[in-house]
This record gives sequence, structure tokens and C-alpha cells, in this order.
Amino acid sequence: DAGVTQSPTHLIKTRGQQVTLRCSPKSGHDTVSWYQQALGQGPQFIFQYYEEEERQRGNFPDRFSGHQFPNYSSELNVNALLLGDSALYLCASSLATGAWGSNQPQHFGDGTRLSIL
Amino acid sequence: DAKTTQPPSMDCAEGRAANLPCNHSTISGNEYVYWYRQIHSQGPQYIIHGLKNNETNEMASLIITEDRKSSTLILPHATLRDTAVYYCIAKTGANNLFFGTGTRLTVIP
Repeated sequence: DAGVTQSPTHLIKTRGQQVTLRCSPKSGHDTVSWYQQALGQGPQFIFQYYEEEERQRGNFPDRFSGHQFPNYSSELNVNALLLGDSALYLCASSLATGAWGSNQPQHFGDGTRLSIL
Repeated sequence: DAKTTQPPSMDCAEGRAANLPCNHSTISGNEYVYWYRQIHSQGPQYIIHGLKNNETNEMASLIITEDRKSSTLILPHATLRDTAVYYCIAKTGANNLFFGTGTRLTVIP
């Protein structure tokens, strides 16, 4: 049973560029959340997708956007990259038991390490 | 979601039980307590969660006090592979995970 998979594992970009990160949820999961983890910090919530719509959003600018596909996979897009966007980007999936979430645990992938030069 | 407080670091001898405390004195009645750990360069790994009752699975036990203001994660026989940062998180089903700074557990040979 495949867990959460993310691609690519590492990525190097320059300031001003745009990037797309991809996530396939664990089999049977329908909800995808994205987190950003700067070096030495705990992960910070970016947004969550359920039924192909953004359901919740953390304190991140509009440069961060996402998408969820009918097969529940998801993309995170970041425009106009800044040096401060260098981080580990984590995807987590879970199973919603209602329109407003679930107490079922989120399961994480190993992330995409994004470096901005 | 309720704020949680954890010690920044702990050591544990290999083979001994590791007891990681967490305070969540403002937890509300519908908030669960979740524990995750993160080994260097990997994504957070779910360990266990609970609401009121003590819980046990193949990885650990979770002891929640009767007033729910604190909890303890117990790794019964710590190994070197248990060295990681452990996060205690209180949240409702509708919200997402808020990671604090966690406890850095070092298992010593």
C-alpha cells in the first residue's frame, strides 16, 4: 500500500521563477494538505484541498496556490519565488469523514526540498 | 486549537522507556491530542492520537490525564531509531495541524 508520494524530491530555482510541486495521496485518502518547513522550524500549514476545492488556508500570500484533481492528487504552485521560499514542502493526506474534516490522522510524504538561488 | 508545551530536549538510554510529556491546559472538549515525530530529512510520521482514554498501538502508548490538561507519550523500549523530534498537537477535526517546536529526543547507546 503506497503511502504519500511527492515529486520531485529536490529542486533548485532562481528568484522570480515559478515552481510546481506534486503530491499523490495515500490510497483511500481524499484530502490533501500542504505544509512549508523552514530549516530548524516545525511545519507550517499552507492550505488544504477537499473535493477539488481549497477548504482552508494558512497565513501565506496569494503567490502560493494549489489544485486538486479528480483522482485526489494535488499540486502546489509558487509564483515569483523569493529567497525566503527555500524550504521543505510537505504534503499530507487524510480521509474526511464529513464536509468539515475528520479526526483521522494526516499522513505525510517525505517532501520536496526547494532551494532558491 | 489549544497551545501545547513540551520540553525542548530529552535523553533516554537505549532499551529503556521514553516518557515524553506535553501540557495542553487550555484544551477544549472536542480537541484530540496527536503525536507525530520527525526523523531528520523525512516527513513527520504519525504515532498515535486520543481524546480521553489512554491509547496503545504498535509504536507507543498515550496517557491522557483525567482533566485532559496534559498527556504523556510512552515509547516502551527506545531504540536508536527513535531519535527524532516529537510533536504534541491538540486539534479538532476541522482544523489542521499546528506544529510547535517539539521535543528533541536523543536515544543514547
